[in-house]
Amino acid sequence: GDSVTQMEGPVTLSEEAFLTINCTYTATGYPSLFWYVQYPGEGLQLLLKATKADDKGSNKGFEATYRKETTSFHLEKGSVQVSDSAVYFCALIYGNNRLAFGKGNQVVVIP
Amino acid sequence: NAGVTQTPKFRVLKTGQSMTLLCAQDMNHEYMYWYRQDPGMGLRLIHYSVGEGTTAKGEVPDGYNVSRLKKQNFLLGLESAAPSQTSVYFCASSYSPYRWAQETYEQYFGPGTRLTVT
Repeated sequence: GDSVTQMEGPVTLSEEAFLTINCTYTATGYPSLFWYVQYPGEGLQLLLKATKADDKGSNKGFEATYRKETTSFHLEKGSVQVSDSAVYFCALIYGNNRLAFGKGNQVVVIP
Repeated sequence: NAGVTQTPKFRVLKTGQSMTLLCAQDMNHEYMYWYRQDPGMGLRLIHYSVGEGTTAKGEVPDGYNVSRLKKQNFLLGLESAAPSQTSVYFCASSYSPYRWAQETYEQYFGPGTRLTVT
């Protein structure tokens, strides 16, 4: 079935560093792709999305481009802040608007 | 608007006890979902509903039942809790992809219920 794979392990980096979180997907067709963010003690919030190949989603300085040829949707931010510390989930849509999530990546930004 | 709310926020059960988690949304969404979140596993879909009076199984439905008697509410039941059901449970809702012939709609999530089964 359709699935999402995120890079293993937490990500620890210093404030103002460049952040990349890798996400690849397996799917029949070209599903919409999402990044959700979960701040400590909260539910998930949509961070950005892309609905077709070559689309770029962006929000709050984060960006991700839907790459059909590499089946990827990597998340990037040029200069992270302490407030970006959270868990980030990549996901895709499949039948009946259901989401398939990756395992998530904990991001810790050190001042 | 309150968005998606969940009751209770925390609960501790003994093995074999039963309980019901309540999810409510005030956005007039047709679709509702229950997920569980476990460390290193991401979120996995338990059950979902595409409208009042309908329910369907997700990825990990065993040990859970659901009901959608009203459009705004989606209940998740554990008839006989087991330690393997210790988890954080999230409810979400969305518009139907057929409402305005748009392909996908964002899911809105509640704050979660932390359940411990001892």
